[in-house]
Amino acid sequence: GEDVEQSLFLSVREGDSSVINCTYTDSSSTYLYWYKQEPGAGLQLLTYIFSNMDMKQDQRLTVLLNKKDKHLSLRIADTQTGDSAIYFCAEKDSGYSTLTFGKGTMLLVSP
Amino acid sequence: DSGVTQTPKHLITATGQRVTLRCSPRSGDLSVYWYQQSLDQGLQFLIQYYNGEERAKGNILERFSAQQFPDLHSELNLSSLELGDSALYFCASSVQGGGETQYFGPGTRLLVL
Repeated sequence: GEDVEQSLFLSVREGDSSVINCTYTDSSSTYLYWYKQEPGAGLQLLTYIFSNMDMKQDQRLTVLLNKKDKHLSLRIADTQTGDSAIYFCAEKDSGYSTLTFGKGTMLLVSP
Repeated sequence: DSGVTQTPKHLITATGQRVTLRCSPRSGDLSVYWYQQSLDQGLQFLIQYYNGEERAKGNILERFSAQQFPDLHSELNLSSLELGDSALYFCASSVQGGGETQYFGPGTRLLVL
């Protein structure tokens, strides 16, 4: 079955860039997503990328997709303390309607 | 605010009991998905409904069931509750049934004592 892997923890200083990485195994993934979960809250959709794209930029967020290596990354520029949260990578297989999530990366931003 | 609403926000109950979680999708969305989030299992897909009909099934226990009503709201029923059912239960919705961009509700936190 599909598998999505993320590193568990990332710590950065305010103002630095953060890069959160994700790998997936399903070569028929069509969409890949990044969600953000703040403490006690639901999942907020940050951005997504279609599998035939290499890069997508949305304000401070840049998503890079390396389809050959099945590697997805989320770069947050000028990271702020309000960006501290858990970030989930998810993929959607072309044959299914559901999402497979990674276990999440906890981003801690220190002043 | 995603536009997906879930009630109740918190639920505390005892083992062996039955509870119902409710979800209202975003206006215009036809599909509803239920997920369970626990510390050990992470986010697990349970079940999907599209326009009132079951579309996909994931790791949903036989003690759990769901339905989607004509007004498109959905309910997840959990029965014979066990301690291990304590988790956050999320509902998500999307416009169509193909699993494209899903918007999540704030979740219901269930604690089974």
